[in-house]
This record gives sequence, structure tokens and C-alpha cells, in this order.
Amino acid sequence: AQTVTQSQPEMSVQEAETVTLSCTYDTSENNYYLFWYKQPPSRQMILVIRQEAYKQQNATENRFSVNFQKAAKSFSLKISDSQLGDTAMYFCAFIGPFGNEKLTFGTGTRLTIIP
Amino acid sequence: EAQVTQNPRYLITVTGKKLTVTCSQNMNHEYMSWYRQDPGLGLRQIYYSMNVEVTDKGDVPEGYKVSRKEKRNFPLILESPSPNQTSLYFCASRPTSASGNTIYFGEGSWLTVV
Repeated sequence: AQTVTQSQPEMSVQEAETVTLSCTYDTSENNYYLFWYKQPPSRQMILVIRQEAYKQQNATENRFSVNFQKAAKSFSLKISDSQLGDTAMYFCAFIGPFGNEKLTFGTGTRLTIIP
Repeated sequence: EAQVTQNPRYLITVTGKKLTVTCSQNMNHEYMSWYRQDPGLGLRQIYYSMNVEVTDKGDVPEGYKVSRKEKRNFPLILESPSPNQTSLYFCASRPTSASGNTIYFGEGSWLTVV
């Protein structure tokens, strides 16, 4: 079974700084997908970024980028120029290659941006 | 607008009183699932459905039932709720053509069982 580990329960950073959230996972699959979801106080689940395992290039979305290390099974999220609106819970998630796969979540990192 | 709609959004109920949380999607997705979110545990899958009349257990199915009579609807049924089912519940859907397809989440349903 796949597992996803987020070892940082809470983090805080000053506004405009850069912060990196860590995620590791365990799988025997070669093809899979990794995601970072943001959950603001409204509790809505918002997709931040997605990485396909067979693509070596790291995904980027504006101020958000990932460092995907397939051999190390690591998938960290970097937030540049952090903004107050980035304050949220962030979940790392994994899904395997098949149509019946479930999304496996980590336990989350609560990120606070300090003005 | 593509969306997953859950109802009710907030509910306080008493132990043993049957309740149903409805979920409906307007994207003709085959795959639908239910998750519960608890502090320190992330989101865990309760049940999922690959298509109409096809359902299967996730990681934490005890105390829950589901049905999939129509493609758009996937209700979560708590026959006899207990306080340990107090949680935030999410319904989600996606096409089954590829597991990496975007997953759409509902806005969540807060359930408190007293």
C-alpha cells in the first residue's frame, strides 16, 4: 500500500519569504501522480500543483514549484514570495496509475504567513 | 459550472439517528468517492464507486453505507451514527480514463454526532 508522509505539522514564515514544505512517499509503482492541495480556513480543497512521475521536469505554477526526486521518493513544495493568502493547511497526495486508484493523503502541514 | 455539491454542509445529530449526506456532480464522471478528514490524520477514503451500481470499500468503511443508483449521485449513509463519526466529510469525483485526471472536491460537510 502506498503511504505519504509529511513530517512538518506546522510551519511559519514571514511574508515575501520563500518556504519549502516536505513530502515523502512510498510506492512500488513506476507511473503515478503527485499533488499538493491547499486547504484554507474555508476548508475547501484547492489543487495547487500536479506532477506526473514519468515527467522529469519539475512542475511549476506561478509562485509554486516542486522539487520531485523520484529515486528518493520525495516531492517538496516551494512557495516563493509568500503572501498572507497562502496561510492554509497543505496536503501532499499520491495516486497510482489505474482508474480505480484512490488518492492517498499525507497528514498535512499547517502553514502560517506572518505579516 | 463544473461542481460537486454536498448537502447538508453542517449538521448536528444525535447518536443512533440515521442520516444521509448527499453528493451530486454535473460532469458525468464515472468515479466518485467519499473521504473523511480528522485532525492529524489527513483525508481517508471511506467508499468509492467506479460507476453506476459499482461500489467498494475504502480504508475506513465501518459504520457507513453508500449507493450509486444514478451516475451523478453518490449518497453517504450513516445508519446509526456514533460520536467517533464526528468529522469533516468530502465527496469527490473524476473521470476514470486516467487516475491522474483532476479530482473535483465538494465543499465539505461538517458532521457532529452527540
